[in-house]
Amino acid sequence: ETGVTQTPRHLVMGMTNKKSLKCEQHLGHNAMYWYKQSAKKPLELMFVYNFKEQTENNSVPSRFSPECPNSSHLFLHLHTLQPEDSALYLCASSQSHRVIDTQYFGPGTRLTVL
Amino acid sequence: GESVGLHLPTLSVQEGDNSIINCAYSNSASDYFIWYKQESGKGPQFIIDIRSNMDKRQGQRVTVLLNKTVKHLSLQIAATQPGDSAVYFCAELNISNFGNEKLTFGTGTRLTIIP
Repeated sequence: ETGVTQTPRHLVMGMTNKKSLKCEQHLGHNAMYWYKQSAKKPLELMFVYNFKEQTENNSVPSRFSPECPNSSHLFLHLHTLQPEDSALYLCASSQSHRVIDTQYFGPGTRLTVL
Repeated sequence: GESVGLHLPTLSVQEGDNSIINCAYSNSASDYFIWYKQESGKGPQFIIDIRSNMDKRQGQRVTVLLNKTVKHLSLQIAATQPGDSAVYFCAELNISNFGNEKLTFGTGTRLTIIP
């Protein structure tokens, strides 16, 4: 159904752990995004990559480290997270980083930080 | 400042009836708006968009209305079906601190279709 896949779908980690979220798009798009979706808060843009280059960092704490090795893959490396970082992390892709190009979202990774 | 908000957090509609979901925005310079639908366990899905040079745009069973005078956006869903049950977000185009285009999302309205 979706051309954007995310793994794992659920993740529980302690504050001292290091983990990574993975996103892969099969749509031939050039732009990829990380969003954070917290309960009762608007969807927040975290990072944008266009042709593997980071074009947007929305004042995200350094404990979140993105990596985009190619236009099809996007990672979010997590370390020393806080309980308030618990949220649904959504990946999206679009043909370009222009807003008029529809963003296609993955199903998200539900992250719980203990 | 920039903000996109929704009038109602929840809405229940009888199956077959029409539903209207509202959204207010504050950035009068924004010239592009999108509605997304998010079903349980899934990511947001594009429904319909509208540019500021239009007042109305229609899709399949959905219509978006834009009132620039009062900075109000609405999504109308005709003849609602159980599959329409979801959270609906509006989003507007803004410019980030990096000078890039970005979407600013509202908090969402949960629409429940009653069989």
